[in-house]
Amino acid sequence: QVQLVESGGGVVQPGGSLRLSCAASGFTFSSYGMHWVRQAPGKGLEWVAFIRYDGSNKYYADSVKGRFTISRDNSKNTLYLQMNSLRAEDTAVYYCAKLYCSSTSCYAGAFDIWGQGTMVTVSS
Amino acid sequence: QSALTQPPSVSGSPGQSVTISCTGTSSDVGSYNRVSWYQQPPGTAPKLMIYEVSNRPSGVPDRFSGSKSGNTASLTISGLQAEDEADYYCSLYTSSSTVVFGGGTKLTVL
Repeated sequence: QVQLVESGGGVVQPGGSLRLSCAASGFTFSSYGMHWVRQAPGKGLEWVAFIRYDGSNKYYADSVKGRFTISRDNSKNTLYLQMNSLRAEDTAVYYCAKLYCSSTSCYAGAFDIWGQGTMVTVSS
Repeated sequence: QSALTQPPSVSGSPGQSVTISCTGTSSDVGSYNRVSWYQQPPGTAPKLMIYEVSNRPSGVPDRFSGSKSGNTASLTISGLQAEDEADYYCSLYTSSSTVVFGGGTKLTVL
């Protein structure tokens, strides 16, 4: 079945780095744009980053620009988020999400498949 | 890009209808139709309920409908059921190819 599985979360000290992975299965990964979305404990959703299906364009929220890098390896059906210079406010569950496409069109900003999330805690 | 404004909470009894608003500005919600809505029950990942203001993905009950008037998008749930109790988020895809979410609305089914 169509599935996204995140991994790589954990506890890291302020200023540290972490790389998240998102393994895709059940669909043609290389045909879809992908997003990262995060949710701090007890808070709402916050969009983090987007990468086009072929990796040609990447977009970031202002809160992570210059510190986080989104990438993908279509040969491995895997999405990544490299997080550097981590801060306490980056503590959150990080979800990867697939761009929603019908048989005829893709719908920017609509995410139809989400992973279960991976927790990142930035603390000393 | 500022977050979209949603009411913190709404409630309704089974069988009733509720509407959740999502207010932006004339530069975002008022100008674009790339508004989506997500349902997030406690402890689970969000689920896409509405895309492009008023379209439902397959599998979403027709009790869920979306609309927009001016700078405000709305999600209406008719025939409320206990299983509809969840947090609901609107989102907007911006002209800068970024996405902004609303603050979320907690729906309580009385």
